[in-house]
Amino acid sequence: DQQVKQNSPSLSVQEGRISILNCDYTNSMFDYFLWYKKYPAEGPTFLISISSIKDKNEDGRFTVFLNKSAKHLSLHIVPSQPGDSAVYFCAASGTSGTYKYIFGTGTRLKVLA
Amino acid sequence: GAGVSQSPRYKVAKRGQDVALRCDPISGHVSLFWYQQALGQGPEFLTYFQNEAQLDKSGLPSDRFFAERPEGSVSTLKIQRTQQEDSAVYLCASSSQRGGELFFGEGSRLTVL
Repeated sequence: DQQVKQNSPSLSVQEGRISILNCDYTNSMFDYFLWYKKYPAEGPTFLISISSIKDKNEDGRFTVFLNKSAKHLSLHIVPSQPGDSAVYFCAASGTSGTYKYIFGTGTRLKVLA
Repeated sequence: GAGVSQSPRYKVAKRGQDVALRCDPISGHVSLFWYQQALGQGPEFLTYFQNEAQLDKSGLPSDRFFAERPEGSVSTLKIQRTQQEDSAVYLCASSSQRGGELFFGEGSRLTVL
């Protein structure tokens, strides 16, 4: 049973427009969420995180929104740039136990110039 | 080094061979994770160390998989009697604190023929 789901395997967006990547989770014990970006043949790199005590966190062009009641988070990229083209993974963790991060299957974003 | 270093980057093994994958985490990082990423999937948790203690190995798929971190820094993931389904990218990540951001290495791509 997949505890973290990214239901859109791919997304294409025009340069300059907004990219919205979605993630759903099932485990109510998750209280810390992260987004990672991955280029081919490289390891994932951290983008932005959010704790469950917040519903929004912003860092430059990247904003993460958390809706705890819906168990849903989203990553907004504004404005999108061709260099943003990559696979994006959301990950979730609980503050008890291992703190292991459970990852979604990823969404491939393509920003068209 | 500045980042998480993994070796080898690429490994081709014949079915039944043993392999060892090395991870050199960021200096001073107490938490170390191993993940397995199959093609088109997200990273799947394998095991977690805090310093030299292996606190969670619930993700190891079989007893052919073994991980160690004897001195609390470098870690080795060993796979005995490799099988084709072991073909994947093995990612190592470290963190300076429990529940903090994970820094990933570039991964070791294992192909079992």
